[in-house]
Amino acid sequence: AQSVTQPDIHITVSEGASLELRCNYSYGATPYLFWYVQSPGQGLQLLLKYFSGDTLVQGIKGFEAEFKRSQSSFNLRKPSVHWSDAAEYFCAVGNTNAGKSTFGDGTTLTVKP
Amino acid sequence: SQTIHQWPATLVQPVGSPLSLECTVEGTSNPNLYWYRQAAGRGLQLLFYSVGIGQISSEVPQNLSASRPQDRQFILSSKKLLLSDSGFYLCAWIWGGTANTEAFFGQGTRLTVV
Repeated sequence: AQSVTQPDIHITVSEGASLELRCNYSYGATPYLFWYVQSPGQGLQLLLKYFSGDTLVQGIKGFEAEFKRSQSSFNLRKPSVHWSDAAEYFCAVGNTNAGKSTFGDGTTLTVKP
Repeated sequence: SQTIHQWPATLVQPVGSPLSLECTVEGTSNPNLYWYRQAAGRGLQLLFYSVGIGQISSEVPQNLSASRPQDRQFILSSKKLLLSDSGFYLCAWIWGGTANTEAFFGQGTRLTVV
């Protein structure tokens, strides 16, 4: 069975600092991996996705993620966080039907001024 | 452009009452549509998905049902709500199977069953 673990429930960073959100997955085949962001009381927005090829993927809003097969990880990074990045972030793993992905429980990001 | 609408935004319903949540999309035809539920502090749980009119796949057994009466309309229903049906419900349109995957989510419905 596939699963996703986001070890950090809550992370606080200062504005302008770098960010890394962790994601570990379990999947029996080549995984398709996604990161989503959710603002309070809103739907999700797809930040980036990994299917194959280059293990470092670029997304929207200045985010990137690196796929490391040996560590079963797909961590999300941003070099300099902005106050508007405060939100909840979800990692997901699945196959070609992205809608049937398994989601992690999310990491809440707080940005200090 | 593609948009997805979901309503109502919030709903408070008594136990045993019926439920109808509606989701519509614009800017596409024959979309793959999904209903998710999100419990507090948790990720999304897939409830139903549909690849076309009248085609519904249920992912988990529950007190809810879904229907796809029109190409761009997806409805989540219940005949009698339970307290455990409370949660945040999201409709999504997700397409593409590889690097061209895109996902559009509605704004969600906060359902409280009292």
